[in-house]
Amino acid sequence: GAGVSQSPSNKVTEKGKDVELRCDPISGHTALYWYRQSLGQGLEFLIYFQGNSAPDKSGLPSDRFSAERTGGSVSTLTIQRTQQEDSAVYLCASSRSTGGYEQYFGPGTRLTVT
Amino acid sequence: QQQVKQSPQSLIVQKGGISIINCAYENTAFDYFPWYQQFPGKGPALLIAIRPDVSEKKEGRFTISFNKSAKQFSLHIMDSQPGDSATYFCAASKEGGKLIFGQGTELSVKP
Repeated sequence: GAGVSQSPSNKVTEKGKDVELRCDPISGHTALYWYRQSLGQGLEFLIYFQGNSAPDKSGLPSDRFSAERTGGSVSTLTIQRTQQEDSAVYLCASSRSTGGYEQYFGPGTRLTVT
Repeated sequence: QQQVKQSPQSLIVQKGGISIINCAYENTAFDYFPWYQQFPGKGPALLIAIRPDVSEKKEGRFTISFNKSAKQFSLHIMDSQPGDSATYFCAASKEGGKLIFGQGTELSVKP
């Protein structure tokens, strides 16, 4: 079956521009997570959506970062006014609702801010 | 209290040997402890996971040992193969929420 998909796979942008990263979770998974992987910081949590509950935004590093999830499926992570320190691989994961502790990751979007 | 500490940072093992990676956590509310395997350019892949009500879980050549009182858990890879060469991450979560990851271990299995 289809896994988590993310697009684009690579994104190069200039400092100060806005970017949107997309995640399509596994069909039927109601929980969706965004993480960031960088050399200096390892894998760090950004935001978590679970069904219709308010998202857990506790990992977002600044107010330049936001995310939304439409129709309980696809999610978009938006970074406004990108900075060089935003360069990283952005990973999306999804899990089932009830007892769905297992998180399955997509291939990631590599963001480079020049 | 949210940290998960992982060691070693890198590990070299001969083919057929046992690879052992260790993790320690602080938050006793964590109730799920997965291990992920990541190859260059790919997303992390779930390898094996354990809940704190068992002390060991085995799946093929991969075993998790869990010590609740010491707040430690480890991954053992038996009969290590060159194809196991990858970066391994331990993690912990509470009630299906966000994963807190260790810093990763780069494993190299020499033929």
